[in-house]
Amino acid sequence: DAGVIQSPRHEVTEMGQEVTLRCKPISGHNSLFWYRQTMMRGLELLIYFNNNVPIDDSGMPEDRFSAKMPNASFSTLKIQPSEPRDSAVYFCATLAGGGNEQFFGPGTRLTVL
Amino acid sequence: AQSVTQPDIHITVSEGASLELRCNYSYGATPYLFWYVQSPGQGLQLLLKYFSGDTLVQGIKGFEAEFKRSQSSFNLRKPSVHWSDAAEYFCAVGSTGGFKTIFGAGTRLFVKA
Repeated sequence: DAGVIQSPRHEVTEMGQEVTLRCKPISGHNSLFWYRQTMMRGLELLIYFNNNVPIDDSGMPEDRFSAKMPNASFSTLKIQPSEPRDSAVYFCATLAGGGNEQFFGPGTRLTVL
Repeated sequence: AQSVTQPDIHITVSEGASLELRCNYSYGATPYLFWYVQSPGQGLQLLLKYFSGDTLVQGIKGFEAEFKRSQSSFNLRKPSVHWSDAAEYFCAVGSTGGFKTIFGAGTRLFVKA
């Protein structure tokens, strides 16, 4: 299995632009998590899905952030409009049904100028 | 409330020396415990996990960890550190199903020749 796939690996954009991050989970994993990692705040859970349904989005910082999981093999995290303080590494992680440990993708490093 | 504390922000050890990274947790029930490693520019990789049974667990890359319920600790150890072990290490505590996994702030390991 290729593991969790995230794209792009790096994104540089200007303030005010829309940013879309993508994640393909491990086949058969039915839970998906979006995290944000910064030096100041460490690893923060933004939102997670179970069977494509958002379960807990309490970590989403504000309305500029949205996430979707239209099917079992794809999820997006969108920031619109982006701001410099959104600069971070965004990780997607997935979890198999009945499992207990999360598997992480390589992350997307976002820089908002 | 669940929490994970990694008291050491960074640690420096000499190559070939032994290593112990500390982790303390707060959890209302028997926890699921994990150690992850993050190499520069990479996602988090699971080193080992504890769910039940033998309190000394073996992981990949020669790491082990010991669960001590009386001390609410789950310290990570390695008898002889290699330069390639330089990375950031995260302790995490979770519940059944893996949905509510809480990560510590991480300990950055530096290895000197």
